[in-house]
Amino acid sequence: GENVEQHPSTLSVQEGDSAVIKCTYSDSASNYFPWYKQELGKRPQLIIDIRSNVGEKKDQRIAVTLNKTAKHFSLHITETQPEDSAVYFCAATDSWGKFQFGAGTQVVVTP
Amino acid sequence: GAVVSQHPSRVICKSGTSVKIECRSLDFQATTMFWYRQFPKQSLMLMATSNEGSKATYEQGVEKDKFLINHASLTLSTLTVTSAHPEDSSFYICSARSGQGYNEQFFGPGTRLTVL
Repeated sequence: GENVEQHPSTLSVQEGDSAVIKCTYSDSASNYFPWYKQELGKRPQLIIDIRSNVGEKKDQRIAVTLNKTAKHFSLHITETQPEDSAVYFCAATDSWGKFQFGAGTQVVVTP
Repeated sequence: GAVVSQHPSRVICKSGTSVKIECRSLDFQATTMFWYRQFPKQSLMLMATSNEGSKATYEQGVEKDKFLINHASLTLSTLTVTSAHPEDSSFYICSARSGQGYNEQFFGPGTRLTVL
């Protein structure tokens, strides 16, 4: 089945700097890669997603890149703000359309 | 659009009792619903997948007789934790997917279960 690895597990950045989180996946049939932000005790919120026929997608300060050959995708957050502090999860679909989540990255943005 | 609700948001029960959690898609028909469990500081782990009108498919290691799932309509799925024990205490989250936008899942707000 699908296996998703996510790094780093924690990330501390100064406000205004950029944050990058990387994920790798194992199933070459995966075709959908969402990123979620989760605050403590709340539901995961979709912040951006990318499909396998696209290499890059951007939405304001957030961007995602996908390298299908290498089976990895990354989340980029620019001009970080304290409200970006949360746990971020990447996910990849397996051949059944089920999500396999990465282990998560705790992002802390210090003013 | 694409709103998913869960009820209750929090539940505390005694060991040995059963607890039912409801997951509803409020403004779309959910052909497939998923149930996840999340322990503190861990990722979401898929427990089972349910399709309307058919039996749920459980992930390896998840006891189907302990976690009963029913998906009787296109807007409602229920998870019943039977004979709950303290180790079942966790954050349970459902998600729903419509036939359109096949990949995207919409998450419920979660249910915090504490078993004493």
